[in-house]
Amino acid sequence: DSGVTQTPKHLITATGQRVTLRCSPRSGDLSVYWYQQSLDQGLQFLIHYYNGEERAKGNILERFSAQQFPDLHSELNLSSLELGDSALYFCASSPGQGFLFSFGSGTRLTVV
Amino acid sequence: GNSVTQMEGPVTLSEEAFLTINCTYTATGYPSLFWYVQYPGEGLQLLLKATKADDKGSNKGFEATYRKETTSFHLEKGSVQVSDSAVYFCALNGAQKLVFGQGTRLTINP
Repeated sequence: DSGVTQTPKHLITATGQRVTLRCSPRSGDLSVYWYQQSLDQGLQFLIHYYNGEERAKGNILERFSAQQFPDLHSELNLSSLELGDSALYFCASSPGQGFLFSFGSGTRLTVV
Repeated sequence: GNSVTQMEGPVTLSEEAFLTINCTYTATGYPSLFWYVQYPGEGLQLLLKATKADDKGSNKGFEATYRKETTSFHLEKGSVQVSDSAVYFCALNGAQKLVFGQGTRLTINP
């Protein structure tokens, strides 16, 4: 058990809809990272938060947004969903801004 | 920017065979290098890491050596088991994130 909790594990929704994915980092970790894993794109970095502040952005679409709350959990919001957004979304946490990542088991999003 | 190129899969081997999964990188400076493993239905787990040139990371019989001169970090195991079947990712640290290769799916047949 990595200590990182992601909910829900599976999500099926229709095109055009909006969903929220949740991540609770390992106890004591201040950094949260979001990654998208699709079959043809591998693991793509989306965004990094450290102690509530956005620290880095990757190729995150404008339809996607995220935030980290005072209790350090994070949410990834995906809106105006398209078929191509179907993927596994992973959250990882680390103690600081280093790279001792612990990964959650992911949320599998299916857009139909 | 920093990038990782991994040997394309899938790779299928028989039990007790020797495994090599190639990984090369492009980076500015001296990144740390990682191998992660993803078992079916699970998240990624750190398998091993190396933080400087000529370092050898090892874990569970897997090894990888940080080769600065060839910008490589190939994963090896002398005798694979069915339980090693998984997807393996090579990664390096970029600015504020880990950069991953495409992943190599490994299947070990008994």
